Amino acid sequence: NAGVTQTPKFRVLKTGQSMTLLCAQDMNHEYMYWYRQDPGMGLRLIHYSVGEGTTAKGEVPDGYNVSRLKKQNFLLGLESAAPSQTSVYFCASSYSHDRPAREQYFGPGTRLTVT
Amino acid sequence: AQSVTQPDIHITVSEGASLELRCNYSYGATPYLFWYVQSPGQGLQLLLKYFSGDTLVQGIKGFEAEFKRSQSSFNLRKPSVHWSDAAEYFCAVGDPNDYKLSFGAGTTVTVRA
Repeated sequence: NAGVTQTPKFRVLKTGQSMTLLCAQDMNHEYMYWYRQDPGMGLRLIHYSVGEGTTAKGEVPDGYNVSRLKKQNFLLGLESAAPSQTSVYFCASSYSHDRPAREQYFGPGTRLTVT
Repeated sequence: AQSVTQPDIHITVSEGASLELRCNYSYGATPYLFWYVQSPGQGLQLLLKYFSGDTLVQGIKGFEAEFKRSQSSFNLRKPSVHWSDAAEYFCAVGDPNDYKLSFGAGTTVTVRA
């Protein structure tokens, strides 16, 4: 049981390049989330998904797109990377059952640098 | 919408001393409350959670937290800190009717020998 995994762990992009971050969970969780973490700002929600085939915007969605084609995977895309997107990105998942706001389980993070 | 404030950006504590991290939230009713810990270069690990019931919650690694409705607080405590407790700690609040959490900015704990 690997929990939540993220690939890649590190990446350096040039301004204007694109990339996709992959998140996978093996806990059969319904909900999945993408956050970015910046110093002094805690975690800010980028996008989230409440089920396969559904996505929604979070607090800071601009410049990002997501897809949830399979229940276990949640992809975060940057179409044209900007230096302001230099950050550590975390994926999380949580169980829906009868209490939506259950605890979230986090992946190890992806450190992205945009030059 | 809910919000979370962690008033202390950085706390330094001696090994063996007690630790208390403050968390205040803004929410109209009783929220779900969480404390997470992040070791350097790692993801977030859940320490403990509060949904309802007993206001004193026990977690992993010897941590506990107390929910005080009158003060809108959920402070984290540990009686005796170990060097391995050096990390960043995040308080989070969730709306029981929603899918999202709001995180505080975090408190970095340094443990001195």
